[in-house]
Amino acid sequence: DTEVTQTPKHLVMGMTNKKSLKCEQHMGHRAMYWYKQKAKKPPELMFVYSYEKLSINESVPSRFSPECPNSSLLNLHLHALQPEDSALYLCASSQDRLVDHFSGANVLTFGAGSRLTVL
Amino acid sequence: AQKITQTQPGMFVQEKEAVTLDCTYDTSDQSYGLFWYKQPSSGEMIFLIYQGSYDEQNATEGRYSLNFQKARKSANLVISASQLGDSAMYFCAMREGISSGSARQLTFGSGTQLTVLP
Repeated sequence: DTEVTQTPKHLVMGMTNKKSLKCEQHMGHRAMYWYKQKAKKPPELMFVYSYEKLSINESVPSRFSPECPNSSLLNLHLHALQPEDSALYLCASSQDRLVDHFSGANVLTFGAGSRLTVL
Repeated sequence: AQKITQTQPGMFVQEKEAVTLDCTYDTSDQSYGLFWYKQPSSGEMIFLIYQGSYDEQNATEGRYSLNFQKARKSANLVISASQLGDSAMYFCAMREGISSGSARQLTFGSGTQLTVLP
């Protein structure tokens, strides 16, 4: 069982719909991430939250709106999406310790993903 | 410029044989971490093994080992005794240290699709 839970697993939406993807972790991690992955491609970073504050936004269109209500939850609100936004959306979490020497604490733990189809 | 390069889009290996997946990286940081993830067709990204730039010994986790050659900037994944369940996409990834300003980012290579043959 994955320790990062994403819901829903599959989502089909029209271009005028508003929906949300949810991510939850109970590992005490203070950094949470959204990645977008197209078929046969590596994941691309969208957003990073550190201690519930948005720390990185990789120039993502405003039709994607992240939210971190508390240290365990991360949402991605979707509105007016385009068909090209269809992809696998992966949530991840990690300790957020900026130390010079890496330890296992810097490993990102990923959820199983939410597969989004925009019609 | 590509920070992580995986030159093998696809690899085949016979069951029970060993296989090496290549990964080279580019960074000017002294402190960085290298990671390998497995992604089956279901989509979940599964962490396999990591190597810190200051670690003197090559990392091992069960059937997985990381052949870390710092001077060559390579971090190849070796899977011993391949199993049918090892068939998946494998991604090499890097996380740079504080000085790079991108310490929270994990940068992925393009991936290698491994197929284990019975």
